[in-house]
Amino acid sequence: QKEVEQDPGPLSVPEGAIVSLNCTYSNSAFQYFMWYRQYSRKGPELLMYTYSSGNKEDGRFTAQVDKSSKYISLFIRDSQPSDSATYLCAMSHAGGTSYGKLTFGQGTILTVHP
Amino acid sequence: NAGVTQTPKFQVLKTGQSMTLQCAQDMNHEYMSWYRQDPGMGLRLIHYSVGAGITDQGEVPNGYNVSRSTTEDFPLRLLSAAPSQTSVYFCASSKPGGVSGNTIYFGEGSWLTVV
Repeated sequence: QKEVEQDPGPLSVPEGAIVSLNCTYSNSAFQYFMWYRQYSRKGPELLMYTYSSGNKEDGRFTAQVDKSSKYISLFIRDSQPSDSATYLCAMSHAGGTSYGKLTFGQGTILTVHP
Repeated sequence: NAGVTQTPKFQVLKTGQSMTLQCAQDMNHEYMSWYRQDPGMGLRLIHYSVGAGITDQGEVPNGYNVSRSTTEDFPLRLLSAAPSQTSVYFCASSKPGGVSGNTIYFGEGSWLTVV
């Protein structure tokens, strides 16, 4: 079993829809939780970063972390065609050299139709 | 500011050949790492470095070698290429940020095909 599980989709929604992306994980030592967006033939770019449990909002994007359930979510409100990409969750342990070592989910392919 | 630069972007190798994927960053980041991305697998950590002269293995290190002689450069060497190493390779860099921030910057990727 992978440490981080993510439904690969693909997920197809109409423009304006609310999108929910989720990951579950098994390692309780993870403390940092991230969502990356990756356009085709490009490198991942950081969307959201959360430390420990809680919610974080940035414009149309909201990240939620529930450490008790080992479950993280990314919500995209008023989705746009430009949001079409692969979304990857990533996690890391706390402290020292762990900051740069990420464990990724498989990625979810999202398409937003005009 | 170039960020993280990877070369080459595309490469075709024959089985058994060796090659080096280059990675350079101009942000004075201490941490650098190499990941590979395969369909349905997400990104998996190959090797990792926390500073010049210090490297460590990640999840899938077999068949790869790294060294870190400078802060800026972190090359990845394929010693004897195998078809299983056909993948997209991403180099990344970051600096310790802890709770206040942990942005990890990725390069544009190197597409490698081993035939």
